[in-house]
Amino acid sequence: DGGITQSPKYLFRKEGQNVTLSCEQNLNHDAMYWYRQDPGQGLRLIYYSQIVNDFQKGDIAEGYSVSREKKESFPLTVTSAQKNPTAFYLCASNRDSKFTDTQYFGPGTRLTVL
Amino acid sequence: GDSVTQMEGPVTLSEEAFLTINCTYTATGYPSLFWYVQYPGEGLQLLLKATKADDKGSNKGFEATYRKETTSFHLEKGSVQVSDSAVYFCALRIPNSGGSNYKLTFGKGTLLTVNP
Repeated sequence: DGGITQSPKYLFRKEGQNVTLSCEQNLNHDAMYWYRQDPGQGLRLIYYSQIVNDFQKGDIAEGYSVSREKKESFPLTVTSAQKNPTAFYLCASNRDSKFTDTQYFGPGTRLTVL
Repeated sequence: GDSVTQMEGPVTLSEEAFLTINCTYTATGYPSLFWYVQYPGEGLQLLLKATKADDKGSNKGFEATYRKETTSFHLEKGSVQVSDSAVYFCALRIPNSGGSNYKLTFGKGTLLTVNP
């Protein structure tokens, strides 16, 4: 079945540690996104990538880094520079199209900093 | 900038009640509009969408009409079920613009609880 997988589902990190969240899609989509969800805040865009080896900062990129070495993979690293990393992280993808298109979301990773 | 405003929740209804969740938007271009649903502990799923004025999106008994004159995209369902309990997000996207406008701009979400 085609879709987006995120792992792990739950992740715990000690303060000062970097951690990497996985996102894989087998939909052959060109564009991929990382969002952060906080209670009562909706979703905010962290980074996005429209093609392999290229990515752009979103609205809240500080303290995060990404890579896009393969079309199907878009890992997110939460660094120690992120002041408040505890949140629910969602990965999404869509076809690279200038026209209206649906973004498909993964099941999310809940990160807790201890 | 672009923004989406949803009615604040939580919304609590009895089964078979009528549902309306208000959504209004501000956009510099001609957005496409979406409703996404998030069940507890899960990611978001597209519920319905509309791409131009007066379009009606519908799915699973939910409907929303793109009203350009009132910049609104209210979500409605005639008879809710317990299984509809979830968080509902209104979102917009500006097509044909490239760059960061490929992103979706989300409202803050509305929690719906349906009691038996």
